[in-house]
Amino acid sequence: GENVEQHPSTLSVQEGDSAVIKCTYSDSASNYFPWYKQELGKRPQLIIDIRSNVGEKKDQRIAVTLNKTAKHFSLHITETQPEDSAVYFCAASIGSNYQLIWGAGTKLIIKP
Amino acid sequence: ETGVTQTPRHLVMGMTNKKSLKCEQHLGHNAMYWYKQSAKKPLELMFVYNFKEQTENNSVPSRFSPECPNSSHLFLHLHTLQPEDSALYLCASSQDEGPDRGGGYTFGSGTRLTVV
Repeated sequence: GENVEQHPSTLSVQEGDSAVIKCTYSDSASNYFPWYKQELGKRPQLIIDIRSNVGEKKDQRIAVTLNKTAKHFSLHITETQPEDSAVYFCAASIGSNYQLIWGAGTKLIIKP
Repeated sequence: ETGVTQTPRHLVMGMTNKKSLKCEQHLGHNAMYWYKQSAKKPLELMFVYNFKEQTENNSVPSRFSPECPNSSHLFLHLHTLQPEDSALYLCASSQDEGPDRGGGYTFGSGTRLTVV
């Protein structure tokens, strides 16, 4: 079946450094790729998304890049801050019915 | 609160019990979802409702029974569960069916279910 692979499962970076989380997907028909952030004990929240007609999208310190040929997309967080500590989930839309296949999550730890 | 409220927050039930999870949204969204979240695993879509009609059932065992009486309320009825059903159950809503419509999913805080 279709799947999304997410790496790494845990990422520890020094405060102020950049963090990159990568996902690969299998469904070539996927055209929507969101990223959700889930802080400890809280609900997942959409932080950024990208559609297949765009290669890159930025929102302040976060950016997402998409390589449709290689079927992978990445989340980039620059100048990391303690409040960036959370689990980040990537997802890809499934074919024509617009549901999502999710990655297993990356736990991002920001070291002071 | 972000507009999607789930109750209870925590639930411990025996394998022979019957219980229900409740989800309520006041965002005017037309689609609602049940997800299962287990540690270190991808979110698993269980059910999708669009305008009160079920449009997706991802091969979920019959011991989970959803109910959507109107576009604002969603229930998940549980009976004869197994210990492996222990997980965080998340409700979500979106403007229309499909996560790419109108700002993605709005999730509730979830119900932490433990089956003993």
